[in-house]
Amino acid sequence: DVKVTQSSRYLVKRTGEKVFLECVQDMDHENMFWYRQDPGLGLRLIYFSYDVKMKEKGDIPEGYSVSREKKERFSLILESASTNQTSMYLCASSFDFVHQPQHFGDGTRLSIL
Amino acid sequence: DQQVKQNSPSLSVQEGRISILNCDYTNSMFDYFLWYKKYPAEGPTFLISISSIKDKNEDGRFTVFLNKSAKHLSLHIVPSQPGDSAVYFCAAKRRSQGNLIFGKGTKLSVKP
Repeated sequence: DVKVTQSSRYLVKRTGEKVFLECVQDMDHENMFWYRQDPGLGLRLIYFSYDVKMKEKGDIPEGYSVSREKKERFSLILESASTNQTSMYLCASSFDFVHQPQHFGDGTRLSIL
Repeated sequence: DQQVKQNSPSLSVQEGRISILNCDYTNSMFDYFLWYKKYPAEGPTFLISISSIKDKNEDGRFTVFLNKSAKHLSLHIVPSQPGDSAVYFCAAKRRSQGNLIFGKGTKLSVKP
C-alpha cells in the first residue's frame, strides 16, 4: 500500500511567520502534489512536481513555494503566513501522469493567527 | 470557471438503496476521470476511475458511468451502507497533464 505521510496533523502559526509543511511518500513515485481544501471550494492545486528539483505552479501558487530535493520528499513553504492561508493542506503522490491515481496523505490542518 | 461541477452539495439515502452521485465537466480534453471518498480528518481515498475510451467501470458495489456526449459521469453505490457516509469528490485530468481538477464534493449520508 502507498503511504503518504504529512509531518503534522495540526499546526498553529502566527501571521508573518515562515511555515514549512513536509510530505514524504514511500513508493518511489515520480509525481507529488500539494493541495488545499476549503469548505465549498473543494481541492485546489497549489504546486506539483514531476521530478527532483522540478516544480510546476498549480491553480493557486501565490504566497507559496515548494522544494523537492529528494524524490520521496516534497515540502510546501508559506513564505510569510497570512490568515487567509488557514486551511487543510493535502499532499499527494502518483506513479505517473497518465492513468495512475493520486494517493493522499491525511492532511495538515493549519491555522494562522 | 469551474471545469468540474458537482451540483449537489449533499445527498441522503437509506441503507440498502442505491446512491447516485453526479458530476459534470466542461473541458472536452479530459480523458481520465476519478472518484475519491473523504472522511473527516482524513485525506481523500481513491475509489474508482474510468478512461474516456470506456463508458462503464465496475468495482464491487461501485460503478462509474461516463457519458462523453453529455460530459457527464456518475457514481453508483449499490447497496449503500452507513460506512459509505463521506464526502465524494469527482476529479478529471488530461492524459498529457499530471494535475487533477476536482469538483467541490458531495456529502453522502446513508441512514440505517
